[in-house]
Amino acid sequence: NAGVTQTPKFQVLKTGQSMTLQCAQDMNHEYMSWYRQDPGMGLRLIHYSVGAGITDQGEVPNGYNVSRSTTEDFPLRLLSAAPSQTSVYFCASSPDRRYGYTFGSGTRLTVV
Amino acid sequence: AQKVTQAQTEISVVEKEDVTLDCVYETRDTTYYLFWYKQPPSGELVFLIRRNSFDEQNEISGRYSWNFQKSTSSFNFTITASQVVDSAVYFCALSREDGSQGNLIFGKGTKLSVKP
Repeated sequence: NAGVTQTPKFQVLKTGQSMTLQCAQDMNHEYMSWYRQDPGMGLRLIHYSVGAGITDQGEVPNGYNVSRSTTEDFPLRLLSAAPSQTSVYFCASSPDRRYGYTFGSGTRLTVV
Repeated sequence: AQKVTQAQTEISVVEKEDVTLDCVYETRDTTYYLFWYKQPPSGELVFLIRRNSFDEQNEISGRYSWNFQKSTSSFNFTITASQVVDSAVYFCALSREDGSQGNLIFGKGTKLSVKP
């Protein structure tokens, strides 16, 4: 099993550009989430989904969109990149809140 | 409001020393889940342990042990006879109470450096 796969691993964007961070899981997990990690801040929840067609906002949703058309995929879109979105982004999935989340390997994004 | 506090920002020990990483949490939930994750220098997040609020038994797994005490809202993590490979950032996390289906509130992490 591949688990949670994130692409790309690294990305540099110019301010104002848009892009999509890809996330796919092959474990048939209903729950998927996006977190961002910033130095000294731990991880913060951006958006999450409890199943195909259902998404909701987390703690820091501004500037990001998500959609969940299939169980497997949960892409994160940056609409107009800003330097404040420079961060490491983690996608995660879970079968149930009791079991915690399995994380992808992360995408390191730099906005210049 | 929910909160996870890892008061130790950085800890440095010499190999074979025992080290305890502290985690204190706040939540209004009566049923909740606590987790520890390890983030080695390579950057991935590795799940270590899950504990639910009904189970206060301590747990030991090899050199790792966890002490969960509801009375003090703490979930501390001890590494016995530390090794260089234990060097990493360790995160304590708590299930969110806002209905976001088990998503997590993370502490800010403790960076552990184990020197040979």
